Amino acid sequence: GQSLEQPSEVTAVEGAIVQINCTYQTSGFYGLSWYQQHDGGAPTFLSYNGLDGLEETGRFSSFLSRSDSYGYLLLQELQMKDSASYFCAVSAPGDSNYQLIWGAGTKLIIKP
Amino acid sequence: GAVVSQHPSRVICKSGTSVKIECRSLDFQATTMFWYRQFPKQSLMLMATSNEGSKATYEQGVEKDKFLINHASLTLSTLTVTSAHPEDSSFYICSASQLAKNIQYFGAGTRLSVL
Repeated sequence: GQSLEQPSEVTAVEGAIVQINCTYQTSGFYGLSWYQQHDGGAPTFLSYNGLDGLEETGRFSSFLSRSDSYGYLLLQELQMKDSASYFCAVSAPGDSNYQLIWGAGTKLIIKP
Repeated sequence: GAVVSQHPSRVICKSGTSVKIECRSLDFQATTMFWYRQFPKQSLMLMATSNEGSKATYEQGVEKDKFLINHASLTLSTLTVTSAHPEDSSFYICSASQLAKNIQYFGAGTRLSVL
């Protein structure tokens, strides 16, 4: 079967750095995406890695190693507003163009 | 860029009525639109994928006669929940992607409550 694994919950302190890991097992792979979802809201796109390496967007960075089927999202200078759930998702061939296979999400709790 | 508008954001209806949810890509042409359902504290569950001008592809276990999807143009897809029942109460979210781009942009979601 196809699956993604990420921690269910991570706790960090405001101003710190936190890394959320994601390992995947899928038949086919185009890329790894990260989405942020606040309680009651819809997911918002954060980053996409189609190739190995690090992608940096402001305080957020995302890394991919296709040989290890592994990626992570790095959040720096944590702010209280970063408290949310973070989902990794793999783009893979699907019946119609492509499909996104979702992880279960990581709830990030930030303490003052 | 890449803005997706979903309407309504919240709807409360009586059991047995039908509810239509609209999803529009405002600043790009969405060759593919996706409809998801999400239960509290759970991940997104893909219901169906629709390509403009063709029939939607439904995931296993999703009743196509219950959840009618229309993708009549490159900027609009609709989901109609027919004869809604309390068990259909959920958070429904649409997303859209451009051709050859493996990124989905999400609408704000619709919270459906069926009484």
